Amino acid sequence: AIQLTQSPSSLSASVGDRVTITCRASQGITTALAWYQQKAGKAPNLLIYDASTLQSGVPSRFSGTDSGADFTLTISSLQPEDFATYYCQQFHNYPLSFGGGTKVEIK
Amino acid sequence: EVQVVESGGGLVQPGGSLRLSCAASGFPLSGYWMSWVRQAPGKGLEWVANIKEDGSEKYYVDSVKGRFTVSRDNTKNSLFLQMNNLRAEDTAMYYCARGGLYTSAWPFDSWGQGTLVTVSS
Repeated sequence: AIQLTQSPSSLSASVGDRVTITCRASQGITTALAWYQQKAGKAPNLLIYDASTLQSGVPSRFSGTDSGADFTLTISSLQPEDFATYYCQQFHNYPLSFGGGTKVEIK
Repeated sequence: EVQVVESGGGLVQPGGSLRLSCAASGFPLSGYWMSWVRQAPGKGLEWVANIKEDGSEKYYVDSVKGRFTVSRDNTKNSLFLQMNNLRAEDTAMYYCARGGLYTSAWPFDSWGQGTLVTVSS
């Protein structure tokens, strides 16, 4: 089974900061990776798929990149509504799997 | 508007059964892979099962194989998860999520609000 390791597990940042979250896959998944945002008490929301394609309606301050087995989600300028937990997910192999999550908190 | 709405959660004793339902609207269910994803209280997301648009393929996470069965009725725009022999560790919010159009290689682009399953005596 493919393991996805997210880092950091949590971070504190201020409005306007640039935030970077990393997801490392235990084996090759090509670009079959997605990022989700989940706010407290709500369902996850798809932000990025195919490692770097922005889902329709998602603000352009969100971006994704990949370098081999390492994937990165970047928020260029953190906004108040971006404080949430972020998950990566691979859809390359079964069982489908998620990273452990990164909680972005207000500094 | 694409929408999926789960129902059927509740409190059940260990070893008991529960059937979750997911009602889809705003898109042709018959063309999409569909999944169940769960989240234990305070924990991360875990994919549980998915089913091909015509029901001919089904996949499960190891921890539920032999106990859970995913099914669908496209004529009623509905997805189901039959859960048998429930364990305390199955306690979670269960989400219905839409996958790809005629492909399993796609993320989950629409989610329901979830239905809570609590397994406890």
